[in-house]
Amino acid sequence: QAVVTQEPSLTVSPGGTVTLTCGSSTGAVTSGHYPYWFQQKPGQAPRTLIYDTSNKHSWTPARFSGSLLGGKAALTLSGAQPEDEAEYYCLLSYSGAYVFGTGTKVTVL
Amino acid sequence: QVQLVQSGAEVKKPGSSVKVSCKASGGTFSSYTISWVRQAPGQGLEWMGRIIPILGIANYAQKFQGRVTITADKSTSTAYMELSSLRSEDTAVYYCARGEIVGATIETDFDYWGQGTLVTVSS
Repeated sequence: QAVVTQEPSLTVSPGGTVTLTCGSSTGAVTSGHYPYWFQQKPGQAPRTLIYDTSNKHSWTPARFSGSLLGGKAALTLSGAQPEDEAEYYCLLSYSGAYVFGTGTKVTVL
Repeated sequence: QVQLVQSGAEVKKPGSSVKVSCKASGGTFSSYTISWVRQAPGQGLEWMGRIIPILGIANYAQKFQGRVTITADKSTSTAYMELSSLRSEDTAVYYCARGEIVGATIETDFDYWGQGTLVTVSS
């Protein structure tokens, strides 16, 4: 099974910008991996932010955006808010089987 | 409004099985996919498998092959995840998540999530 790797932790200042990445042990991440991004706060179910690389749901704040960057999937948070402090997980598809990333703890400080 | 409501917490003995339900409302069950994801205490998310109810087809993560069965009852808009041969490492919160089929295409496999079900495996 592939291993999907994320930064363990990142810190961003309020109003600042941070980019989280999601890499695959099998090689470059492409649109064919249909990258997803999820936000999870303590004690809560995950919330889907991004699907299929860059598509947003109606509830996804405009400050979140998804892309492919340097062979990885990326989630950019522009204008961080205190409520964005959370764990973020990516998810990649490998021919219909999904693998979650290791998660990134984002601190807004 | 789409909602996924899961069954309540379970305590199971090692070697037994558990069956968790996920009832969907607020949409058309035949246009869904349902995935199951688990999270052990203090750990990350782990995808277990997915079913497309209108086709009755499920696929599973290799790790759980032979030990997990995902089914769906279209008449009650309810999906089920059964995990057998339980061991202490299966102690986790189990989540269901809905996906949406548009036409003949899976638009997304994860939009709405259930509230989670804690399964504790202990002797």
